Amino acid sequence: DAGVIQSPRHEVTEMGQEVTLRCKPISGHNSLFWYRQTMMRGLELLIYFNNNVPIDDSGMPEDRFSAKMPNASFSTLKIQPSEPRDSAVYFCASSSGASSWTFGSGTRLTVV
Amino acid sequence: DQQVKQNSPSLSVQEGRISILNCDYTNSMFDYFLWYKKYPAEGPTFLISISSIKDKNEDGRFTVFLNKSAKHLSLHIVPSQPGDSAVYFCAAKNFGNEKLTFGTGTRLTIIP
Repeated sequence: DAGVIQSPRHEVTEMGQEVTLRCKPISGHNSLFWYRQTMMRGLELLIYFNNNVPIDDSGMPEDRFSAKMPNASFSTLKIQPSEPRDSAVYFCASSSGASSWTFGSGTRLTVV
Repeated sequence: DQQVKQNSPSLSVQEGRISILNCDYTNSMFDYFLWYKKYPAEGPTFLISISSIKDKNEDGRFTVFLNKSAKHLSLHIVPSQPGDSAVYFCAAKNFGNEKLTFGTGTRLTIIP
């Protein structure tokens, strides 16, 4: 298996633009997580899905953030409009409900 | 509120010596704990875990200790090697919930 695949690896956008981050989980994993890494807060959970259904979105910072999982093999995290304070590394992870979670390589977002 | 805390942002250890990374938590409902290792420009990778019913788990050079009464866990790496230089994240989950809560990380540097 290729692991969790995220795209793009890097994204630079202007303030006010829409940004879409993509994630393909490991086949057979039924849970998917979006995390954001910042210096101040470390890895913070934004939202997680189980069987394509959002279970906990309490970490989504505000209405500018939205996430979808239309099927078991694809998820998106959208920021509209983007702001400079959204600059961070965004990670997607998936799990099978067992004992470990597998992370993608992340998307480094820079909003200028 | 930070339910998982790693109070040491950085740690330097001589090659061959023991590295001890610490983690404290506040949520008594956590039942499973994990350590992840992260290299620059990569996603976190799973290192070792421990269930709350145990107080020690060992895997090669890595040992995790759990002190439930103190709500404290630690990761011991012995002997430390240059390839161990990375950021280490402590994570925890509640019973019946797949959400992982992470600490802010400790940057470990192994000095040759």
